[in-house]
Amino acid sequence: NAGVTQTPKFQVLKTGQSMTLQCAQDMNHNSMYWYRQDPGMGLRLIYYSASEGTTDKGEVPNGYNVSRLNKREFSLRLESAAPSQTSVYFCASRLRLAESTDTQYFGPGTRLTVL
Amino acid sequence: DAKTTQPNSMESNEEEPVHLPCNHSTISGTDYIHWYRQLPSQGPEYVIHGLTSNVNNRMASLAIAEDRKSSTLILHRATLRDAAVYYCILSAGGTSYGKLTFGQGTILTVHP
Repeated sequence: NAGVTQTPKFQVLKTGQSMTLQCAQDMNHNSMYWYRQDPGMGLRLIYYSASEGTTDKGEVPNGYNVSRLNKREFSLRLESAAPSQTSVYFCASRLRLAESTDTQYFGPGTRLTVL
Repeated sequence: DAKTTQPNSMESNEEEPVHLPCNHSTISGTDYIHWYRQLPSQGPEYVIHGLTSNVNNRMASLAIAEDRKSSTLILHRATLRDAAVYYCILSAGGTSYGKLTFGQGTILTVHP
């Protein structure tokens, strides 16, 4: 059971370049999330997918697009990277069975630098 | 969204109990109180959550005030591995789809 995996671990882009961050979970969870974390700050929600086939904006969606490819995979795309998107990106999936079980599992993160 | 207020930092000695406070005076009746922690260079990790009653699990205990305007995460015996940033988060029930709004958290330092 790998949990939540993210690729790549590190990436350096030039301003204007595009790239896709990949996320996959093997826990059969319905909901998945993309967060970003700037230095010294808490995480901020970019986009989320409550279930396969649906996606919704979070707190900071500008400059990003997402695709929920299937139940396992949720990708984040930067169409034209900007230095302000330099951050650590975390993907998460959620297990909710009942009120007593409501847990998000986070991946190890992707460290992105935009020059 | 309802906000939480936590101290920026706290210190503890190894094997002593740690009480991490959180204020959430604007909490609504359907908001759950979640705690996550983030070890250095890792993604956040779930610790515990509750609605009204105190909760215990293998990692920690959560004490919720009767008026629900504050809560305390209790680590019964701190270890060096508990050094992390601890986030107190309110998550609305129902159709919130589990969205979490992280603040800046409390940096816990554990001394040997």
